[in-house]
Amino acid sequence: SAVISQKPSRDICQRGTSLTIQCQVDSQVTMMFWYRQQPGQSLTLIATANQGSEATYESGFVIDKFPISRPNLTFSTLTVSNMSPEDSSIYLCSVVQIPDTQYFGPGTRLTVL
Amino acid sequence: KQEVTQIPAALSVPEGENLVLNCSFTDSAIYNLQWFRQDPGKGLTSLLLIQSSQREQTSGRLNASLDKSSGRSTLYIAASQPGDSATYLCAVKGKAAGNKLTFGGGTRVLVKP
Repeated sequence: SAVISQKPSRDICQRGTSLTIQCQVDSQVTMMFWYRQQPGQSLTLIATANQGSEATYESGFVIDKFPISRPNLTFSTLTVSNMSPEDSSIYLCSVVQIPDTQYFGPGTRLTVL
Repeated sequence: KQEVTQIPAALSVPEGENLVLNCSFTDSAIYNLQWFRQDPGKGLTSLLLIQSSQREQTSGRLNASLDKSSGRSTLYIAASQPGDSATYLCAVKGKAAGNKLTFGGGTRVLVKP
């Protein structure tokens, strides 16, 4: 099974600032996914990140707000830009490994004041 | 559009009782269904993956069934323990959605000693 780490594990940020979340996987994967889980809610997919191409964003999420980098097959970053209290959530990265199991990182708990 | 529902939203049982968690989905054209466990403020742990061609999967005290035609899956946890207290999420990978998972809202389980 994939082992996924995320940094930071949690942060408290001021309104209007930006935070970059890092995701590291212990093996090479083609696709990495970024999810958001708002308080008391289930998971919502933000975007799919493929190495060497632009990320694909889901409806309601835009690149200016959530820029994503995918420099290689084991690493990705998600930036939450110009934050507001509504961005307070757990952000999780995820990968799929053969045969078809999806694995998740431990999450980054973000609080915006 | 695929919709995934989990009922009940919360469940409290005495230790030793068997747990039955339900998941329903509206579009039966799926690749697979996956059950996850999430502890408060943490990431997701994969419990079981059922491919669309399978009827059930077992791992230790956990057994998950899949009835694709009726759009239902059930997760059984035998002889529950306080350590089983967590939120349980089901997610389907639908053929219409490519590689993306659609999550249910989760069932929050409390096992009382």
